[in-house]
Amino acid sequence: KQEVTQIPAALSVPEGENLVLNCSFTDSAIYNLQWFRQDPGKGLTSLLLIQSSQREQTSGRLNASLDKSSGRSTLYIAASQPGDSATYLCAVGNNAGNMLTFGGGTRLMVKP
Amino acid sequence: DTAVSQTPKYLVTQMGNDKSIKCEQNLGHDTMYWYKQDSKKFLKIMFSYNNKELIINETVPNRFSPKSPDKAHLNLHINSLELGDSAVYFCASSQFLGGDTQYFGPGTRLTVL
Repeated sequence: KQEVTQIPAALSVPEGENLVLNCSFTDSAIYNLQWFRQDPGKGLTSLLLIQSSQREQTSGRLNASLDKSSGRSTLYIAASQPGDSATYLCAVGNNAGNMLTFGGGTRLMVKP
Repeated sequence: DTAVSQTPKYLVTQMGNDKSIKCEQNLGHDTMYWYKQDSKKFLKIMFSYNNKELIINETVPNRFSPKSPDKAHLNLHINSLELGDSAVYFCASSQFLGGDTQYFGPGTRLTVL
């Protein structure tokens, strides 16, 4: 059974810092990996999707990497801003591609 | 235009009641999902439907019955509500089954008293 772990559970940084969020998963037979953002009381917004054959994806200040063999993904946020404050969730798609298993999330606070 | 919408946003009800949550997507997607986010914020898949056909039922009690009248709608009916059903329920959709970005609705916060 796939298990997804995110470290750290919470992170507080001053504005402008570059930061890395970590995600690890136990079963490397994945279809894809997706990073989401969740604001308090809101739904999830998809940030980046990495297919199992890819090593990384970039969108603006965000860069996500995937090392399937070691069961790890990282989300790199450059030049963090207060508006980046949210919970970031990593989700792994199973081999059939028909369900996502979520990590517990990293709650990020960027201080002005 | 809201891509994935859910109604109601909040639902407060007594134990033993039956309630429904509605979900609609206007993205033209084939696949829809229901997820449950508990008080510890863990998100877990409950059901996935592809072209109105049930694909996954992830060990959800029989009291939960999804209904998909068409590809754009996936409603969740819950019988005999229990305290442990209190959670936020999210609907999501993706263009096709397997390997595609999932788009989430705003969630329905269910509180069972």
